[in-house]
Amino acid sequence: KAGVTQTPRYLIKTRGQQVTLSCSPISGHRSVSWYQQTPGQGLQFLFEYFSETQRNKGNFPGRFSGRQFSNSRSEMNVSTLELGDSALYLCASSLGYTGNTEAFFGQGTRLTVV
Amino acid sequence: DAKTTQPPSMDCAEGRAANLPCNHSTISGNEYVYWYRQIHSQGPQYIIHGLKNNETNEMASLIITEDRKSSTLILPHATLRDTAVYYCIVHKIQGAQKLVFGQGTRLTINP
Repeated sequence: KAGVTQTPRYLIKTRGQQVTLSCSPISGHRSVSWYQQTPGQGLQFLFEYFSETQRNKGNFPGRFSGRQFSNSRSEMNVSTLELGDSALYLCASSLGYTGNTEAFFGQGTRLTVV
Repeated sequence: DAKTTQPPSMDCAEGRAANLPCNHSTISGNEYVYWYRQIHSQGPQYIIHGLKNNETNEMASLIITEDRKSSTLILPHATLRDTAVYYCIVHKIQGAQKLVFGQGTRLTINP
């Protein structure tokens, strides 16, 4: 079956702009999580959605937001981009909302802010 | 979620078993041990997870000590394609899918 699909794969934006990233989970998966990966901070949890509701949120400013649609597809948005937002943004989907299911990651969207 | 400690890097010869240790001395009874790996520039890949019994799948074996304070991931016959950063994560049984990644172990398989 198809894996987690993230679009676009690469993106270049200017400081102050906003950006929307998309994630299509594996068919049947209802939980979608987002992570930011930078060389300095490593992999950090942004937020998680399950059944269109945000269930958990990481320690990121309000400029980072997301949503999940009824078909489980998810988007994350970053407003007023800063240079430090340059990172690999990873989406993960999992079957359920428990700790006994593995997460499947997409290839990520590499965002460069100039 | 409990914190984990892993060596920053390890080397292993191709064809040999790679044994990656992880310390999670503050793990609680309702937390699983998970292993993921990340090959350069790709998304992390799930390897295996366990609660208290040893586990084996087609990729690896997971050995968890009886007190659950440490574990070892074993790749039985390492290949060059196993070169990656390996993350050991402890994760609550109930609750969100939030994964707390540490710095991991950079495993290099040498020919």
